[in-house]
Amino acid sequence: ETGVTQTPRHLVMGMTNKKSLKCEQHLGHNAMYWYKQSAKKPLELMFVYSLEERVENNSVPSRFSPECPNSSHLFLHLHTLQPEDSALYLCASSLSRHAGGGEQFFGPGTRLTVL
Amino acid sequence: QKEVEQNSGPLSVPEGAIASLNCTYSDRGSQSFFWYRQYSGKSPELIMSIYSNGDQEDGRFTAQLNKASQYVSLLIRDSQPSDSATYLCAVNGGGGSNYKLTFGKGTLLTVNP
Repeated sequence: ETGVTQTPRHLVMGMTNKKSLKCEQHLGHNAMYWYKQSAKKPLELMFVYSLEERVENNSVPSRFSPECPNSSHLFLHLHTLQPEDSALYLCASSLSRHAGGGEQFFGPGTRLTVL
Repeated sequence: QKEVEQNSGPLSVPEGAIASLNCTYSDRGSQSFFWYRQYSGKSPELIMSIYSNGDQEDGRFTAQLNKASQYVSLLIRDSQPSDSATYLCAVNGGGGSNYKLTFGKGTLLTVNP
């Protein structure tokens, strides 16, 4: 595997379900990000992790819970979501959050549909 | 509220023409600027980075930066149908938020054969 991978690629869940999104980066980067992309809206930054420490929580509802067990893996735990949470969820990584806003590389995304 | 503005398009150009995509940003402290290409149903792919005033060229792509005018542009020479995609401008936050990227809504480019 190379670059940034995400699983699952597609997810359909009910409002009462609990599911998790997984991201893995094979680039040796130290910073990882979760973004949400909804139709007609810009990419929205959700969370930033640097060396497994959460450094940004961009006013995201508590029904989204991130976890970063090591610098290569990032999870987004989902529970009691709302239909408006349906979107493309993108994981990205960069060399370091201190690298002057360095280049970020995205995974393929998880297309989430909440029924 | 830091903002990045792009014309949503669609921008339609004939094959072989030059496509010009524009972006303005509000944060004067921004130091890093990026262009991403996103095909329909796919994730953004980094195509250009620019950090100082002037031009940065990579193959058919040229990024231009004017910090005084807070303006970034992307030129695509000899446009091909495969260049048809949404192009996202991204700008880093100044100061202590330099790791945060703010994205524009994107410009949809269509290259007609």
